[in-house]
Amino acid sequence: GENVEQHPSTLSVQEGDSAVIKCTYSDSASNYFPWYKQELGKRPQLIIDIRSNVGEKKDQRIAVTLNKTAKHFSLHITETQPEDSAVYFCAVQMEYGNKLVFGAGTILRVKS
Amino acid sequence: EAQVTQNPRYLITVTGKKLTVTCSQNMNHEYMSWYRQDPGLGLRQIYYSMNVEVTDKGDVPEGYKVSRKEKRNFPLILESPSPNQTSLYFCASRTGTMNTGELFFGEGSRLTVL
Repeated sequence: GENVEQHPSTLSVQEGDSAVIKCTYSDSASNYFPWYKQELGKRPQLIIDIRSNVGEKKDQRIAVTLNKTAKHFSLHITETQPEDSAVYFCAVQMEYGNKLVFGAGTILRVKS
Repeated sequence: EAQVTQNPRYLITVTGKKLTVTCSQNMNHEYMSWYRQDPGLGLRQIYYSMNVEVTDKGDVPEGYKVSRKEKRNFPLILESPSPNQTSLYFCASRTGTMNTGELFFGEGSRLTVL
């Protein structure tokens, strides 16, 4: 089955700095890579996703990059703000089947 | 308003007492799924359903049952709960026309088994 590793488990940055979270996966047939944000006490919500035929996608201050050869993808948040503080989960969808496998999560703290 | 609704939101029960966590979505989604969230382990899939009367095991199905008799409902059943099932549970749904796309999560159900 798919194995997803996410690093780091916790990340503290100063407001205005950038934050990068990385995930690696094992199944080369995986084709969809979303990122979810979970604020304290809330449900996870999709913030950005990327498909296997694309190398990078940006949406304002967030971006995701995908390296299919190396089987890793990363979330980049620029100009971090206190409201970016949350738990971030990467996930990997296998090409066949309907399992979406999540990473263990990264607690991001933005200090003002 | 498009939403996924879970009940109960909080529950404390005792070992062995059967319980059901309900999940309902109003978006006409084909795909529904249950996850449990535990510290350091992320979200682990328990069961999922591609459509009415079609269910399949996720990564941690032991001790759980599900049913999908109607498109909008996907209850999670714990026949004989044990303390290791103490967790935060999320139901989620998405359109099933592709095996990708945004998962919409319910607000979560925090279960404690004593």
